Amino acid sequence: AQTVTQSQPEMSVQEAETVTLSCTYDTSESDYYLFWYKQPPSRQMILVIRQEAYKQQNATENRFSVNFQKAAKSFSLKISDSQLGDAAMYFCAYAVLDAGNMLTFGGGTRLMVKP
Amino acid sequence: DAGVIQSPRHEVTEMGQEVTLRCKPISGHDYLFWYRQTMMRGLELLIYFNNNVPIDDSGMPEDRFSAKMPNASFSTLKIQPSEPRDSAVYFCASSLEQGHGYTFGSGTRLTVV
Repeated sequence: AQTVTQSQPEMSVQEAETVTLSCTYDTSESDYYLFWYKQPPSRQMILVIRQEAYKQQNATENRFSVNFQKAAKSFSLKISDSQLGDAAMYFCAYAVLDAGNMLTFGGGTRLMVKP
Repeated sequence: DAGVIQSPRHEVTEMGQEVTLRCKPISGHDYLFWYRQTMMRGLELLIYFNNNVPIDDSGMPEDRFSAKMPNASFSTLKIQPSEPRDSAVYFCASSLEQGHGYTFGSGTRLTVV
C-alpha cells in the first residue's frame, strides 16, 4: 500500500523563526508529484507548494520551501519568517502519475505560531 | 474564477434521512474528487471522475453512498440512509490534469444525529 507519514502531530514555532515539517512516503513508482496543503481553522484546503519527482531542484514559494530527498523518500516543508497566519494543519500528499490523479494524504501536522 | 463551490456548508440531519451534497468544479477541470475528512481516519478519497466518468469508487464506504456527475459543471454525493458514523466534513476538489494540485471547495460539514 502506498502511504504518507507525517511523524509530528504538532509543532510550535516562534513568530519570525523558521520551522520544518517532516513527511515521508512509500511508493515503488518513479513518476509522481508531491504536495503540501495548508488547512487553517476555516477548513479550506490551500495548496502551498508542489514538487515534481523528476526534478532535482527543490521547489520554493516565497517563505515556503521543500527539501526533497527522493532516495530517502522524504519531502519536508520549511517555513521561514513564520507568521501568525501560518498557524494551521499542514498535510503532505502525493499523486502517482499513471494511477489516475488521486492524492494520498498524510495524517497532518498542527502548526502553532507563538507571538 | 469562483473556485470549487460546494453546498450546503453545513448540514444537520436525522439518522435514516437522505442527504445530498453538491459540487460545482472549476470550469475546464477534467478531474473531480470527493473526499471525506474525520479525526479518526483523516482525509479519505471516496470517488473520482475524469471527464464526468467515474473512474475509481473503491473508497465509497458502502452501498448507502452514491455519486453522480451528470455534466462537467455539477456533481452530487448522496447518502441514503444516513447514519451517525457518516458525520464528517466532505470535500469536493477539481483538477486540470494529472500532476496538478487540486483546488478544494470549502467543504460540507455533515452531522447526523
